[in-house]
Amino acid sequence: KQEVTQIPAALSVPEGENLVLNCSFTDSAIYNLQWFRQDPGKGLTSLLLIQSSQREQTSGRLNASLDKSSGRSTLYIAASQPGDSATYLCGAGSYQLTFGKGTKLSVIP
Amino acid sequence: GAGVSQSPRYKVAKRGQDVALRCDPISGHVSLFWYQQALGQGPEFLTYFQNEAQLDKSGLPSDRFFAERPEGSVSTLKIQRTQQEDSAVYLCATREPGLAGSSSYNEQFFGPGTRLTVL
Repeated sequence: KQEVTQIPAALSVPEGENLVLNCSFTDSAIYNLQWFRQDPGKGLTSLLLIQSSQREQTSGRLNASLDKSSGRSTLYIAASQPGDSATYLCGAGSYQLTFGKGTKLSVIP
Repeated sequence: GAGVSQSPRYKVAKRGQDVALRCDPISGHVSLFWYQQALGQGPEFLTYFQNEAQLDKSGLPSDRFFAERPEGSVSTLKIQRTQQEDSAVYLCATREPGLAGSSSYNEQFFGPGTRLTVL
């Protein structure tokens, strides 16, 4: 059974700082890894999808990497802004996703 | 529509009542998922449809939970005889079909969820 762990559970950084969020998974036979953000009381907003044959994806200030052999993915956020404050979730799997508990990010102005 | 929509957004039920939660997918998205998200946790998979076929219902926690998608579009998650432990946010996600023979899947798009509170 796939298990996904996200570290740290919470992170507080000053505005402008670069940061890395970590996601690890136990079953490396995944098809996709997808990063989401979730604002309080809202659904999940897709940020980046890394397919099994890919090593990384970039969108604006976000860069996500995938290392299937070690069962790890990282989400790098450059030049953080207060608007980046949210809970970040990673989901790994095949047709369905298994999620970690998320990392709650606070960017302090 | 522009995105996945769910209704109602909030539902309060007395223990023992039946509830029905609706999901309207993005047009053309043949794959549809239901997830359950407890407070402070990540979403947990409940069930998966491809068109009208329910291909995986292994995540449904009990036989009180039932999902359907009779015409391959709108889906309904029904919970019978609700219990307090059913209180959670129920999320629907959809995905467009991928290329034939592809070993990967396209991204999932989530709706805003229905927050169910059972008193």
